[in-house]
Amino acid sequence: AQSVSQHNHHVILSEAASLELGCNYSYGGTVNLFWYVQYPGQHLQLLLKYFSGDPLVKGIKGFEAEFIKSKFSFNLRKPSVQWSDTAEYFCAVTSMNTGFQKLVFGTGTRLLVSP
Amino acid sequence: NAGVMQNPRHLVRRRGQEARLRCSPMKGHSHVYWYRQLPEEGLKFMVYLQKENIIDESGMPKERFSAEFPKEGPSILRIQQVVRGDSAAYFCASSPDSTGGFEKLFFGSGTQLSVL
Repeated sequence: AQSVSQHNHHVILSEAASLELGCNYSYGGTVNLFWYVQYPGQHLQLLLKYFSGDPLVKGIKGFEAEFIKSKFSFNLRKPSVQWSDTAEYFCAVTSMNTGFQKLVFGTGTRLLVSP
Repeated sequence: NAGVMQNPRHLVRRRGQEARLRCSPMKGHSHVYWYRQLPEEGLKFMVYLQKENIIDESGMPKERFSAEFPKEGPSILRIQQVVRGDSAAYFCASSPDSTGGFEKLFFGSGTQLSVL
């Protein structure tokens, strides 16, 4: 079955620490990859996406992600987190298997940044 | 331009009652997706609708669940005879087209359903 794995369910960091959240997917073919963020009490927002081209993708708020095809990974990074980055982060994938019409989400990672 | 509006934000039902969740897509959006988030799980796709048509309902439970997106009015996710296991956050998302890029996919804030 198609799946997306986020291995870190909870991450606690101090401000200015570096962040890396893992995401692995199980599709073998062409994929589109996404990271979404959900701030407390708010709706899901798109952070960044990868369709093709440069595997290092830059998104909003200083986030970036790297697509490594050989590892089926799309890890999210930020060099220096802020307290306002406290949120839940979801990795998601669409693939040719579903006609690119269905987002499959990981279980999410809750990030708590302490001031 | 208002975002995707879901109501109610919180819905409490007793076992056996019906739950109706509403989703008004963004203006100009004719594609609606429903997702469910169970505790400690990611969002799971339920159904994809266009105006008056169900395109993909592969994620919908076979019984008690139904969805519609009429020509006029919001999309409705209906759960009949709710059980405790239906307690979850239900998210709606809308997009103007189905290109698959999801660049123009916007989510609502969700409806938290609690079944007593």
